[in-house]
Amino acid sequence: RKEVEQDPGPFNVPEGATVAFNCTYSNSASQSFFWYRQDCRKEPKLLMSVYSSGNEDGRFTAQLNRASQYISLLIRDSKLSDSATYLCVVNVRDKIIFGKGTRLHILP
Amino acid sequence: ETGVTQTPRHLVMGMTNKKSLKCEQHLGHNAMYWYKQSAKKPLELMFVYNFKEQTENNSVPSRFSPECPNSSHLFLHLHTLQPEDSALYLCASSQASGVNTGELFFGEGSRLTVL
Repeated sequence: RKEVEQDPGPFNVPEGATVAFNCTYSNSASQSFFWYRQDCRKEPKLLMSVYSSGNEDGRFTAQLNRASQYISLLIRDSKLSDSATYLCVVNVRDKIIFGKGTRLHILP
Repeated sequence: ETGVTQTPRHLVMGMTNKKSLKCEQHLGHNAMYWYKQSAKKPLELMFVYNFKEQTENNSVPSRFSPECPNSSHLFLHLHTLQPEDSALYLCASSQASGVNTGELFFGEGSRLTVL
């Protein structure tokens, strides 16, 4: 089983829709969790950390379920500028492990 | 201007060449990383340096040789590479490596092509 698994997509979503990404991780010793965003031919950048109680930043909501070893990202009222690859990232015993990413295309 | 600068941005080399990738961070961070990004694969951690000391070598072949002369500079020396080593090599930095490591700041990457 891969350490961090994501649906590679692509997700083709009309502008204004809500889209959800899921991610699972295999190591129960994982300590901290993040979502990064990577635009085409650009470097990854931190989007948001993921806290046990769930957290929200504007249109973005992140959730963590430690029992199921599952992380999610919800984007509401999607914009054209949200088109990117979304990377699920897990800190496992001080190693930062990236998922393959999920590609999102927002359609006008 | 990005806080992490990588040079060169593009590099083409033959299998017998020796070249180096350079990374410099202007953020006052203490940890620096090399990642490899290949098509259709996740970012692969290669090396981690904390306070100039190598704390992680993720089973990387010896044809990749890292060097960290100080907390602001990181090099990746390349020697007798294979075509499958062609990829985007990303440098990153953070406050420190460890359980509380949160945000990594990435450079724009060095795209390497091995002929």
